[in-house]
Amino acid sequence: EPEVTQTPSHQVTQMGQEVILRCVPISNHLYFYWYRQILGQKVEFLVSFYNNEISEKSEIFDDQFSVERPDGSNFTLKIRSTKLEDSAMYFCASREASYTFGSGTRLTVV
Amino acid sequence: GIQVEQSPPDLILQEGANSTLRCNFSDSVNNLQWFHQNPWGQLINLFYIPSGTKQNGRLSATTVATERYSLLYISSSQTTDSGVYFCATGGQDMRFGAGTRLTVKP
Repeated sequence: EPEVTQTPSHQVTQMGQEVILRCVPISNHLYFYWYRQILGQKVEFLVSFYNNEISEKSEIFDDQFSVERPDGSNFTLKIRSTKLEDSAMYFCASREASYTFGSGTRLTVV
Repeated sequence: GIQVEQSPPDLILQEGANSTLRCNFSDSVNNLQWFHQNPWGQLINLFYIPSGTKQNGRLSATTVATERYSLLYISSSQTTDSGVYFCATGGQDMRFGAGTRLTVKP
């Protein structure tokens, strides 16, 4: 069964540093997403991406965040100047009809 | 935006019991999925069910889109069913409910 692949599975970074989270969506899917889940809380929508541009973003997705599809297979989330409160699990998803989620990247900002 | 409410927030069962989890949503939707988040944090897709009824083994789900709710049934629960169950729904972009934390005791 096709999978969404996320790397790394875990990342620890110093406060103020930039991180790039990587995702390889399912190849024939056209819609891509990033969600985050702070420990013990609900899964929150960050951004959706279609046809090489952002289609919708939440109020969480401010200027600190950016997304990019640098080539035909990768989909990245960049977080600039990380803060302690950015510590969370970040999920990438892609869809045709139903969503398929990756296994997530657990980001810890220290 | 769409509001997604799940109930109950917590549920404790003895192994072998049946349960029903509910998801209410505030607006018409064209997609709805149920997920199980396992102890490792992975979101496992259980059902894609924008309408109608589906069954997969001991699990089944029903969505009544006109009345804006979906139900997830778990029969003969096992300890491995423990975890958080999320409903997610929306238009083009899905929003998640807060989840139901299920604990199945042996």
